Amino acid sequence: GQQLNQSPQSMFIQEGEDVSMNCTSSSIFNTWLWYKQDPGEGPVLLIALYKAGELTSNGRLTAQFGITRKDSFLNISASIPSDVGIYFCAGQPNFGNEKLTFGTGTRLTIIP
Amino acid sequence: DADVTQTPRNRITKTGKRIMLECSQTKGHDRMYWYRQDPGLGLRLIYYSFDVKDINKGEISDGYSVSRQAQAKFSLSLESAIPNQTALYFCATSDLRGWEVSDTQYFGPGTRLTVL
Repeated sequence: GQQLNQSPQSMFIQEGEDVSMNCTSSSIFNTWLWYKQDPGEGPVLLIALYKAGELTSNGRLTAQFGITRKDSFLNISASIPSDVGIYFCAGQPNFGNEKLTFGTGTRLTIIP
Repeated sequence: DADVTQTPRNRITKTGKRIMLECSQTKGHDRMYWYRQDPGLGLRLIYYSFDVKDINKGEISDGYSVSRQAQAKFSLSLESAIPNQTALYFCATSDLRGWEVSDTQYFGPGTRLTVL
């Protein structure tokens, strides 16, 4: 099945650093979602984007819906230890009743 | 209380056994989904249901079946479990948003299934 290209696959950063990750697709999406998964838990929705060009924040997290509708970006500012986990993007194509397509995830590790 | 619950959280079984994983939700959502997660492969859709009378195959439905007993309950069965079905299984729900179908999904905590 189709999957989004999510990069980077993994990141090793120091506490306090900013983080950027992105998702790209060959298809247009009309919804972009960003999830975080902690070890042993289900993905938790962080940010939902519904309009091209939309920029939405949730605390230290900011996500953008690319104007081409084929990409999305997630930024985390001033990372803290609880940011560790796997971040997934997900997109829904530009048709009703289409299911979500998930990225393969970005694993974030914070180096002490 | 959690909005989406899954039982059991962990299960170890043997090849050939029948296994049922349960999902319940209190969000009042019409749509429910079952995914499996394998390392490096992200989330893959097994089955989904848009309402009680609707069942649809996802991309990896072979070896699985589902039952939508009520709006709030969606169960996944492995009729004869095999080792390559060892994975994390997640249930999710979503709802319609206005006139658009916006598939913002909310996930349960997952079931870790091991087939020996």
